[in-house]
Amino acid sequence: TQLLEQSPQFLSIQEGENLTVYCNSSSVFSSLQWYRQEPGEGPVLLVTVVTGGEVKKLKRLTFQFGDARKDSSLHITAAQPGDTGLYLCAPGGSNYKLTFGKGTLLTVNP
Amino acid sequence: GAVVSQHPSRVICKSGTSVKIECRSLDFQATTMFWYRQFPKQSLMLMATSNEGSKATYEQGVEKDKFLINHASLTLSTLTVTSAHPEDSSFYICSATTGGSGNTIYFGEGSWLTVV
Repeated sequence: TQLLEQSPQFLSIQEGENLTVYCNSSSVFSSLQWYRQEPGEGPVLLVTVVTGGEVKKLKRLTFQFGDARKDSSLHITAAQPGDTGLYLCAPGGSNYKLTFGKGTLLTVNP
Repeated sequence: GAVVSQHPSRVICKSGTSVKIECRSLDFQATTMFWYRQFPKQSLMLMATSNEGSKATYEQGVEKDKFLINHASLTLSTLTVTSAHPEDSSFYICSATTGGSGNTIYFGEGSWLTVV
């Protein structure tokens, strides 16, 4: 099982602010996945990053995979209340069990 | 797209009884299913990995005699919480994968269990 550390654990910001959350490990991954979960629902896959140094954009969300493929970050620009949720990272690849980091609980206040 | 369905979405049971939660893959064959438990404002904790036709692999600290997992077909896995207690109250989520190098994971909607 690959251990993932996510930070910060909790984040409360005002609408319009920018933020970055992190997913770090001492292990190398073939890929990393980011999910968002809203209360009472299952997680929804946002993106999979595969190549070291890769940057993927999903509207106001920018995902980066570290060059060494040990860490990843998620940056949100001009956060909106609809971005509120639990952000989870997990290793991808068929050889890994899908074990999540502890997550970052984001609250965007109007 | 692929859909994973859980049933029931909410269930209330009395202490000491058993309750079964189903996880179905609706339009694909799931060689592997995972069961998670989640407490409020916390992440998903992997309980067990369920492979069709074989015994589930439980994570350390998860009581396999209490949380019975059956994966009898490629589209259905069940989690039975036996002799439920109030501390078993939680959100239980399953996920399913087609396997292979792509390892796409599809999550169910989750099931709220309240033991009274």
